[in-house]
Amino acid sequence: EAAVTQSPRNKVAVTGGKVTLSCNQTNNHNNMYWYRQDTGHGLRLIHYSYGAGSTEKGDIPDGYKASRPSQENFSLILELATPSQTSVYFCASGDAGLGASYEQYFGPGTRLTVL
Amino acid sequence: GDSVTQTEGLVTLTEGLPVMLNCTYQTAYSTFLFWYVQHLNEAPKLLLKSSTDNKRTEHQGFHATLHKSSSSFHLQKSSAQLSDSALYYCALYTGNYKYVFGAGTRLKVIA
Repeated sequence: EAAVTQSPRNKVAVTGGKVTLSCNQTNNHNNMYWYRQDTGHGLRLIHYSYGAGSTEKGDIPDGYKASRPSQENFSLILELATPSQTSVYFCASGDAGLGASYEQYFGPGTRLTVL
Repeated sequence: GDSVTQTEGLVTLTEGLPVMLNCTYQTAYSTFLFWYVQHLNEAPKLLLKSSTDNKRTEHQGFHATLHKSSSSFHLQKSSAQLSDSALYYCALYTGNYKYVFGAGTRLKVIA
């Protein structure tokens, strides 16, 4: 069974503070993703990576940075958190390309509240 | 640009009635469509996927057919169960390792 874990599962942060959300996958997938989930907007892509050392901007990258130090780990960093970044964040891994399933495996999510 | 439209935000059904959740898409890339299901306080999980035009795909009692002529990939089930209550996402692979999701449809099945 493919496995994606996230930490922390819940986080309360103060406005202007730095927040780091971590994601680990044991699937040996090349691609990893960070999404945020908001009612009425669905899942929106923040950043993604197609391998260790790579990070790419998704559809809503403003206010977020990402880091992929290894195949297994992908972090999302909020340097200066704002209340508008209060949301549920999901990490996912998957493979795309010739012979791949294209399925994304999601982590359990991190609920972030910025006060 | 690439987009996925799910027109219903909430669908409420009585148990035993048929389910149909709508999904239309727009893309310039070759088409790969997905349905994900998310139960309360859980992660989204793949329900079914397709890239083949006019071929019915089935899984766990649900089915969908990709129609490229109408850019649609509607999700159907013949008889709703209480356990089907969940949030359903239609998603599109847009190329370059990226996906775009619809806004989601919450299905609520009542007794």
